[in-house]
Amino acid sequence: DAMVIQNPRYQVTQFGKPVTLSCSQTLNHNVMYWYQQKSSQAPKLLFHYYDKDFNNEADTPDNFQSRRPNTSFCFLDIRSPGLGDAAMYLCATSRGGRVGNTEAFFGQGTRLTVV
Amino acid sequence: AQSVTQLGSHVSVSEGALVLLRCNYSSSVPPYLFWYVQYPNQGLQLLLKYTTGATLVKGINGFEAEFKKSETSFHLTKPSAHMSDAAEYFCAVYFSGNTGKLIFGQGTTLQVKP
Repeated sequence: DAMVIQNPRYQVTQFGKPVTLSCSQTLNHNVMYWYQQKSSQAPKLLFHYYDKDFNNEADTPDNFQSRRPNTSFCFLDIRSPGLGDAAMYLCATSRGGRVGNTEAFFGQGTRLTVV
Repeated sequence: AQSVTQLGSHVSVSEGALVLLRCNYSSSVPPYLFWYVQYPNQGLQLLLKYTTGATLVKGINGFEAEFKKSETSFHLTKPSAHMSDAAEYFCAVYFSGNTGKLIFGQGTTLQVKP
């Protein structure tokens, strides 16, 4: 049973054309993460939501934005994709809190190609 | 500063040999520690985790890891490597706090030779 679902699995977009990646979860976790992973590199945290609070990493480009309309859904918006934004984008969730489990559950990822 | 370091980007072992993948972290508060495995074009799968309690934790596929606070380490081991263990392994640390977040190490590619 899929618990963290990312759509689509593969996305091709044109240089400079806005694109949105989506993530949904059935775990009712309060924390949702977006990571960017380039080939042979570690996942890099772009931002995360802790409940409704948005936490942006200092080195995340302004070109990347996110929305979380409710607990179950989270979106990654890339306003003007460049060739350097081609990567695998991973969504993850966890149950945060002082006594949180903190184990993160990952989706299968969306592989973004920019042409 | 909070950080995670994996020593060795590539590790090669023979089938049946011991696997040792190293991970060190830097944190001012007790962290939660994880090892994930990633196969090509797949998401991340949790191998094992340490949150509290016993410092030697066992995970799936015969892997285990030991949390050593004095050494700020969480090395991953497996007594006998299988060909199917060839993959990318990531150590991750959850830094708790008001905005708690999960940070990954650089990753280690494990190659298993027949």
